[in-house]
Amino acid sequence: DADVTQTPRNRITKTGKRIMLECSQTKGHDRMYWYRQDPGLGLRLIYYSFDVKDINKGEISDGYSVSRQAQAKFSLSLESAIPNQTALYFCATRGGGTDTQYFGPGTRLTVL
Amino acid sequence: AQSVTQLDSHVSVSEGTPVLLRCNYSSSYSPSLFWYVQHPNKGLQLLLKYTSAATLVKGINGFEAEFKKSETSFHLTKPSAHMSDAAEYFCVVSEAAGNKLTFGGGTRVLVKP
Repeated sequence: DADVTQTPRNRITKTGKRIMLECSQTKGHDRMYWYRQDPGLGLRLIYYSFDVKDINKGEISDGYSVSRQAQAKFSLSLESAIPNQTALYFCATRGGGTDTQYFGPGTRLTVL
Repeated sequence: AQSVTQLDSHVSVSEGTPVLLRCNYSSSYSPSLFWYVQHPNKGLQLLLKYTSAATLVKGINGFEAEFKKSETSFHLTKPSAHMSDAAEYFCVVSEAAGNKLTFGGGTRVLVKP
């Protein structure tokens, strides 16, 4: 969905490096989410945000942090990357009054 | 707590034959249910959504799903598979007004010519 963009689309990094993944949306939604996808596990929620001042941990937040710089931007950081954080990361958005989330194209992160 | 089980991790069909992807869920509340599709190297696209208005839900690309409360199932079907249907499909249950999505493990569909 071109309304939700993620950068970079692919990233290879080394253990111990700091990494930031960025998400931008033009849907005007106030709620934004970060997920990771691992084979056979579906998507699992890392963090979510209802607005710029409201950040919440998801089920697997350890080792991650987020920043909501503006309503349209939500960044995910790995302070010190480790190999088991190798995964496909998705950003999603949701507007008020609906329970449908809209996903970005994903960022494939490899930690060596 | 909610959970989603997709009963088949892989499904192989011939082009032009029906597709059935099975999904069972558990939820403490009256959930919303979704099917998303993920084509290779693409993001997740919403196929269809159930929100208690009608038990048979029609989605995009000829897919439909039937909600059966007694069986806690939300199976996805398509009468005639097309090569472009080759993808991974996720059944998803939503609670807490959309803040908590629980994903099934996914079903990868292979379509043979």
